[in-house]
Amino acid sequence: GAGVSQSPRYKVAKRGQDVALRCDPISGHVSLFWYQQALGQGPEFLTYFQNEAQLDKSGLPSDRFFAERPEGSVSTLKIQRTQQEDSAVYLCASGRVSNQPQHFGDGTRLSIL
Amino acid sequence: AQSVTQPDIHITVSEGASLELRCNYSYGATPYLFWYVQSPGQGLQLLLKYFSGDTLVQGIKGFEAEFKRSQSSFNLRKPSVHWSDAAEYFCAVGADKLIFGTGTRLQVFP
Repeated sequence: GAGVSQSPRYKVAKRGQDVALRCDPISGHVSLFWYQQALGQGPEFLTYFQNEAQLDKSGLPSDRFFAERPEGSVSTLKIQRTQQEDSAVYLCASGRVSNQPQHFGDGTRLSIL
Repeated sequence: AQSVTQPDIHITVSEGASLELRCNYSYGATPYLFWYVQSPGQGLQLLLKYFSGDTLVQGIKGFEAEFKRSQSSFNLRKPSVHWSDAAEYFCAVGADKLIFGTGTRLQVFP
């Protein structure tokens, strides 16, 4: 079946602009995670949903970052007033339940000019 | 604090040679442990996982890993490396959100 799909694959924005990144999880997967991967680093946790409920947002670096999953499937990560330090690859992962292996999408590479 | 350490930033091996990538973790409870592989421009692919039971786990592509609680380690091994194994390897720990190491870049020479 289809894997986790993320769009766009690449996004270039000017500092101060708002961006929205989309994640389509594997059908039927209850859990959805967002991670941020800076160049040369491992992924770092941002936030976690179980169905439509956001259970953990402790990794969001500031209140400029906002994530939603209103119908328990597709999720959007929004970054307001982007800054250069937001440049990274944003990875989405989904799982059948919370403690099962996560399946990752190919990520969105965000570049802030 | 929960953390994962991958001491080797970069490893180079010859094709056909054996491989061991090191991973040490710090975690308060019984850990769920994972190894993922990432090729350039791609997401992470799960190689293998340890939840409980047999401490030697087999994964895809001929990889295996051994959980050693006394050493807080979960090292990844492969008896004979192929050129296609060149990639970035990440060890991770966690029950829901994952904590990743900084990765080990594997280069394979023919």
